[in-house]
Amino acid sequence: SAVISQKPSRDICQRGTSLTIQCQVDSQVTMMFWYRQQPGQSLTLIATANQGSEATYESGFVIDKFPISRPNLTFSTLTVSNMSPEDSSIYLCSVEVGNEQFFGPGTRLTVL
Amino acid sequence: QKEVEQNSGPLSVPEGAIASLNCTYSDRGSQSFFWYRQYSGKSPELIMFIYSNGDKEDGRFTAQLNKASQYVSLLIRDSQPSDSATYLCAVGFSEAARQLTFGSGTQLTVLP
Repeated sequence: SAVISQKPSRDICQRGTSLTIQCQVDSQVTMMFWYRQQPGQSLTLIATANQGSEATYESGFVIDKFPISRPNLTFSTLTVSNMSPEDSSIYLCSVEVGNEQFFGPGTRLTVL
Repeated sequence: QKEVEQNSGPLSVPEGAIASLNCTYSDRGSQSFFWYRQYSGKSPELIMFIYSNGDKEDGRFTAQLNKASQYVSLLIRDSQPSDSATYLCAVGFSEAARQLTFGSGTQLTVLP
C-alpha cells in the first residue's frame, strides 16, 4: 500500500486566484494521478503525472488551467488557476502501487 | 467516450442480508475492474479488483465479472451497518490500475 498526504486539507479562495495543492507519498511511485470530485458526484480523472515528463491531461482539462509538477518520485503538485466557483470541488491525488490505486485524503476547495 | 454506469440507489438492506451492487461499462477493451468504498467525507478505499471472467471472493465480498455482457458486480454477504457507504465501480483500459473511469457510485445503507 501507500501512505499519501495532501496539503492543504481544505481552503476557501477568492475568484480569480490560484491554489497549489501538494501531494506527498511515502514511497517512490512511477505514476501519480489527480482527480476531481465535485459535490455529490463521482471522481473524474484530471491528469496523469509521470516523473520527468509532461503530465497527460484528460479530455476537458488543460494545462493552463491545471498545471502539474512532478519533480521527483514521491511528490507532485496540482495548481488550480484563475479559479471560479465552478472549481469548488474535492481534489484527490492517487498513486499506483502494484495493480492497485490508492488515494490521498483530498483537498476540499471552495471558491467564492 | 468511456462510460461506467451504476445504479445510483440509495440501496437499503437489513443487517445480515446480501447487498448486490451492479456496474456496466461501455468500452469492450476494458481490462481491469475495481470496487472502492467511500465513506462520507473520506477518500475512496479499494475493496477488490478483478481482471478475469467469473467470481473472486475476499471475505464477505465477492466480485463478479462478465466481459461478454460488460457487467461487473459486488456482493456483500452478512451486511453490517459499518458497510454503509457509497460504492464506486472503476474500470481501467489496461491491467494496471491507471487512468480509471469511475461510475457515479451506489449509496448503500445497512439497517440495524
